[in-house]
Amino acid sequence: TQLLEQSPQFLSIQEGENLTVYCNSSSVFSSLQWYRQEPGEGPVLLVTVVTGGEVKKLKRLTFQFGDARKDSSLHITAAQPGDTGLYLCAGNDYGQNFVFGPGTRLSVLP
Amino acid sequence: NAGVMQNPRHLVRRRGQEARLRCSPMKGHSHVYWYRQLPEEGLKFMVYLQKENIIDESGMPKERFSAEFPKEGPSILRIQQVVRGDSAAYFCASSPEIAGADTQYFGPGTRLTVL
Repeated sequence: TQLLEQSPQFLSIQEGENLTVYCNSSSVFSSLQWYRQEPGEGPVLLVTVVTGGEVKKLKRLTFQFGDARKDSSLHITAAQPGDTGLYLCAGNDYGQNFVFGPGTRLSVLP
Repeated sequence: NAGVMQNPRHLVRRRGQEARLRCSPMKGHSHVYWYRQLPEEGLKFMVYLQKENIIDESGMPKERFSAEFPKEGPSILRIQQVVRGDSAAYFCASSPEIAGADTQYFGPGTRLTVL
């Protein structure tokens, strides 16, 4: 059974701070996705990473896929209250199955 | 291009009634996934369907739950004889045909409340 772990589970920071959240597994994935979910809404796709070692930037967000394609990180620079939400990672196991992590709940205080 | 659509957004049922949740995938997407999310928890996979076929239902409870994705029309998740423990947000996601580097796109969810 494939499992994705995310850390930290909860994170509360002040506006302007930097942060990194992690997504780890013992399994190899063909691709990995990061989503942000706000209360009462569905997850919204932020990025898909495919190549081991790949780094993608989305404004203040930087995503990295581990060389072995088992882990990923999301770094946010100068966090803003609008970044508040549940950050979910999901891995594709070379087929059509997606495994989700439990999420990191981020709160950015003004 | 419209996104994934789900209806109703909110559904209230009494114990013992049936709940029918609908999902229309994005245009051009032929793969549909259903997930359940309890408050303060992550997404739990329930079932994966392609048109007229159930590919993986390993996350579906053995009783009372069923899903279909007919040739025409939306995908339906049906819960018979609902119980209070079925109260949750149910999300549908769709993806295109190409496997491997695929990405799922989620609908806004249906929040089921069982009284």
